[in-house]
Amino acid sequence: DAGVTQSPTHLIKTRGQQVTLRCSPKSGHDTVSWYQQALGQGPQFIFQYYEEEERQRGNFPDRFSGHQFPNYSSELNVNALLLGDSALYLCASSLVDRGNYEQYFGPGTRLTVT
Amino acid sequence: DAKTTQPNSMESNEEEPVHLPCNHSTISGTDYIHWYRQLPSQGPEYVIHGLTSNVNNRMASLAIAEDRKSSTLILHRATLRDAAVYYCILRDPSNTGNQFYFGTGTSLTVIP
Repeated sequence: DAGVTQSPTHLIKTRGQQVTLRCSPKSGHDTVSWYQQALGQGPQFIFQYYEEEERQRGNFPDRFSGHQFPNYSSELNVNALLLGDSALYLCASSLVDRGNYEQYFGPGTRLTVT
Repeated sequence: DAKTTQPNSMESNEEEPVHLPCNHSTISGTDYIHWYRQLPSQGPEYVIHGLTSNVNNRMASLAIAEDRKSSTLILHRATLRDAAVYYCILRDPSNTGNQFYFGTGTSLTVIP
């Protein structure tokens, strides 16, 4: 059973560019959450998707947007990249029927903005 | 954001028990206490969670104070593989729903 997978593993972008990160949830999971983790910090919640809709959102600007597809996979899009967007982006999947209490995280995508 | 306070770092000898403390003095009656850990170069992984009673699973035990203002994650026999950053998180499903607010966690070093 494949766990949560993310692509790409690493990415280097230039300020002002746009980036799309992808996530495939653990088999059977229906909810996907995205987190940003700066170096030396804990993950910060960006938003969560369920039934192809954004359910909740953390304190992130509108430059951060997402999408969930019918197969439950998800994308995170960041527009107008800033140097401060450099971080590890984590995707987590869970099951709404189980209260989403146990989130399974992927290995993350390391984004570097130069 | 629900607040928790953890020591920045702790050390333990291999095969000895480890007690990782967490203070959450502003916890509300509907907050669940979750613990996750993050091994080097990996995403966080679920360890355990509880509401009021002490909890045990194959990975660890969670001891919750009677007033719920603190809790302790107990690893019964530390192994080298337990070296990680441990996060104590409060989550209120009725309020913040599914948001997990991670702090900076406790970095656990296991000494062979």
